[in-house]
Amino acid sequence: EDKVVQSPLSLVVHEGDTVTLNCSYEVTNFRSLLWYKQEKKAPTFLFMLTSSGIEKKSGRLSSILDKKELFSILNITATQTGDSAIYLCAVEPGGTSYGKLTFGQGTILTVHP
Amino acid sequence: SAVISQKPSRDICQRGTSLTIQCQVDSQVTMMFWYRQQPGQSLTLIATANQGSEATYESGFVIDKFPISRPNLTFSTLTVSNMSPEDSSIYLCSVEGGTANTGELFFGEGSRLTVL
Repeated sequence: EDKVVQSPLSLVVHEGDTVTLNCSYEVTNFRSLLWYKQEKKAPTFLFMLTSSGIEKKSGRLSSILDKKELFSILNITATQTGDSAIYLCAVEPGGTSYGKLTFGQGTILTVHP
Repeated sequence: SAVISQKPSRDICQRGTSLTIQCQVDSQVTMMFWYRQQPGQSLTLIATANQGSEATYESGFVIDKFPISRPNLTFSTLTVSNMSPEDSSIYLCSVEGGTANTGELFFGEGSRLTVL
């Protein structure tokens, strides 16, 4: 059974801090790892990673995948209060299982002014 | 990007009743996915709905409890049958995102059900 474990489960920081969120996974047949941000109800897509060692970047957010160690990190630099959310990591298996994601339990990030 | 509308956004239901959640997408999509998020938990895939065929359910979910319809390429419904308090969750509809055949999903705003 595919499994995704995120750490820490929650994190409280102040504006301007840099945070690193962790995601480790076990999957029978790996296709991709994805990061989502969930602020109220609907998760919104951040990154999809398929290749090891290649950093994806969008503004203050970046993510990298280590397929050997079955691990990914999501970095947020110069955090803002608007970054407060649940960050979800998910893995997508290979084969024809498109969209059938296994999610981690999420990291609750709280950014104080 | 796809715009996904779900109805109802929230409801309070009595034990033993059934509720149907609707999901409307503003573009044609091959596959639609129904996820559940129980309080304090992450998302769990219930089933995949393809137009013109029966839904494919994940382990732990059965058609009698969660019947799904997919009458066309822009619409799907999920019914939660014979509800109990354990069914109190957010139910989310999702579709593939900008790149076909990837895990990049767009999610609806979700339907928060509370079962008393």
